Amino acid sequence: TQLLEQSPQFLSIQEGENLTVYCNSSSVFSSLQWYRQEPGEGPVLLVTVVTGGEVKKLKRLTFQFGDARKDSSLHITAAQPGDTGLYLCGPNFGNEKLTFGTGTRLTIIP
Amino acid sequence: EAQVTQNPRYLITVTGKKLTVTCSQNMNHEYMSWYRQDPGLGLRQIYYSMNVEVTDKGDVPEGYKVSRKEKRNFPLILESPSPNQTSLYFCASSFGGDQPQHFGDGTRLSIL
Repeated sequence: TQLLEQSPQFLSIQEGENLTVYCNSSSVFSSLQWYRQEPGEGPVLLVTVVTGGEVKKLKRLTFQFGDARKDSSLHITAAQPGDTGLYLCGPNFGNEKLTFGTGTRLTIIP
Repeated sequence: EAQVTQNPRYLITVTGKKLTVTCSQNMNHEYMSWYRQDPGLGLRQIYYSMNVEVTDKGDVPEGYKVSRKEKRNFPLILESPSPNQTSLYFCASSFGGDQPQHFGDGTRLSIL
């Protein structure tokens, strides 16, 4: 079983601040998805990254895939209360079995 | 509307009473899977299916069964539920294991 770690586990910051959350593994990913989950709902896809070193932007969210394809980060600029949620990384290790991180629970305080 | 539908959304039952949680998708996806989500443990895959009549174990399959007789449906069966199966369950579907997963809204299951 591949080891997968997300950090921090919890993060609470003021509206308008910037933040970064991380997803790290002991194994190489073939691709990785980031999801956001809100209370009472299932996770919803934010982005897929495939190429080592890839950077993707989604409005105020910037996703980076590490050069070695063993890590990824999500940076949020000027956080807003609507960004509150559980952020999950879901890497694919080249097989059909899926592993998710334990997630980062983000709270943005107005 | 493209969606994954789970039923029921909430269920409280007792130890040993067989139950089935249904999952249906309308996106013609080949891949379907079940997860349980527990505090501090994240989403853990129970079973997955790459196509009709093809199922395989995820990371935590003990105590669960699944079937894939039709492409759109992937029920999760608990033959003899126990309290340690109290959890939040999600069904998901996609075009493959390496493709973005579409999740249902979850089933909160309590086994007393």
